Amino acid sequence: EADIYQTPRYLVIGTGKKITLECSQTMGHDKMYWYQQDPGMELHLIHYSYGVNSTEKGDLSSESTVSRIRTEHFPLTLESARPSHTSQYLCASTEAGGGGYTFGSGTRLTVV
Amino acid sequence: AQSVSQHNHHVILSEAASLELGCNYSYGGTVNLFWYVQYPGQHLQLLLKYFSGDPLVKGIKGFEAEFIKSKFSFNLRKPSVQWSDTAEYFCAVRDTGRRALTFGSGTRLQVQP
Repeated sequence: EADIYQTPRYLVIGTGKKITLECSQTMGHDKMYWYQQDPGMELHLIHYSYGVNSTEKGDLSSESTVSRIRTEHFPLTLESARPSHTSQYLCASTEAGGGGYTFGSGTRLTVV
Repeated sequence: AQSVSQHNHHVILSEAASLELGCNYSYGGTVNLFWYVQYPGQHLQLLLKYFSGDPLVKGIKGFEAEFIKSKFSFNLRKPSVQWSDTAEYFCAVRDTGRRALTFGSGTRLQVQP
């Protein structure tokens, strides 16, 4: 079972609302990632972090922001949600040696 | 930029049939290669990975993959699929200059009993 937790699992929210998607891991991994995945499509990297106070944007341009104040916590925030943000958001982490990722269960976001 | 191609988007097999899912990547240097599986309603799980050494890699649940450097390929195989193998399969690549995995678009496998 994955030791990386994402909440909420599902979220339906109105346009213009501010939302934060939570991601926490208990494995002490330094590296954490956020991917966005539309149904039937590949995962696109939107943010990553190599440690506390380190965050970088990924390949896919995203209006979301992230923070990494604690090793175990890597939340993603949308200041003003729009229907174009409707997607699944996957959080992952890996150890410093760069092995395979451990993924969370994802947050399926719908903006109406 | 690195890209990963999974040519089969949807595969339907009967139980006991053999499986081979294609994966090709674009980077010509040293790479780490992965296959992930996502069962319905579950999170992505690592099936197997290749870093170096024997190009034939064995993973969980009877899956294996072969790294062929000359073909930039890392195809996934299983001799005899089961209904429980119904899932989506993602190939992923990390090259030495990149900080994160690049994923293919996935192959949806449907195994009919």
